[in-house]
Amino acid sequence: DAKTTQPPSMDCAEGRAANLPCNHSTISGNEYVYWYRQIHSQGPQYIIHGLKNNETNEMASLIITEDRKSSTLILPHATLRDTAVYYCIVRATNAGGTSYGKLTFGQGTILTVHP
Amino acid sequence: NAGVMQNPRHLVRRRGQEARLRCSPMKGHSHVYWYRQLPEEGLKFMVYLQKENIIDESGMPKERFSAEFPKEGPSILRIQQVVRGDSAAYFCASSGTGGNQPQHFGDGTRLSIL
Repeated sequence: DAKTTQPPSMDCAEGRAANLPCNHSTISGNEYVYWYRQIHSQGPQYIIHGLKNNETNEMASLIITEDRKSSTLILPHATLRDTAVYYCIVRATNAGGTSYGKLTFGQGTILTVHP
Repeated sequence: NAGVMQNPRHLVRRRGQEARLRCSPMKGHSHVYWYRQLPEEGLKFMVYLQKENIIDESGMPKERFSAEFPKEGPSILRIQQVVRGDSAAYFCASSGTGGNQPQHFGDGTRLSIL
């Protein structure tokens, strides 16, 4: 059911930027892109979301291509505590779309930050 | 802590018993979602509720499982006559009103069936 494609795993050196790609070529006009991460077996942690403009918060930046078919999550200075599974999810924001309300988690990207 | 609160954190039941999982949403949130994560698997949506209403239960098993979010009090996920296959982590999330509001998750309830 997931409408996104992510690499299964990535490595990053501590202190460097981690760039996690996501393909969502079938995204609809009313669907936002959300990023979450799950550390060990904790509850998923919300990171950032956007529609078509680039977004930045205290955790990360989200870059969405102009055609909205792909995006990149950027952790500017990765630390060991950023090691987690990162999920890219598209979700409709109004009733009528099949992705309305629920988040559909795929396999995500296992990001390993090493010293 | 103003986050999503789930209790208990760990719940052990014998086959055939009932399990009740509770979720208190973040302050001001009126939308609640339940997800299940089976061992070594991804999170799967179960049900989406607003106060006193079930909006989407497309992920709920047809039998033994029910959910409610009453006008007062926490949301409850109830599993009747539990079986070994119900062993999983159950996560609750809440969000505010507004289509693009993100969901914020609790730390989950780990259900173990003996």
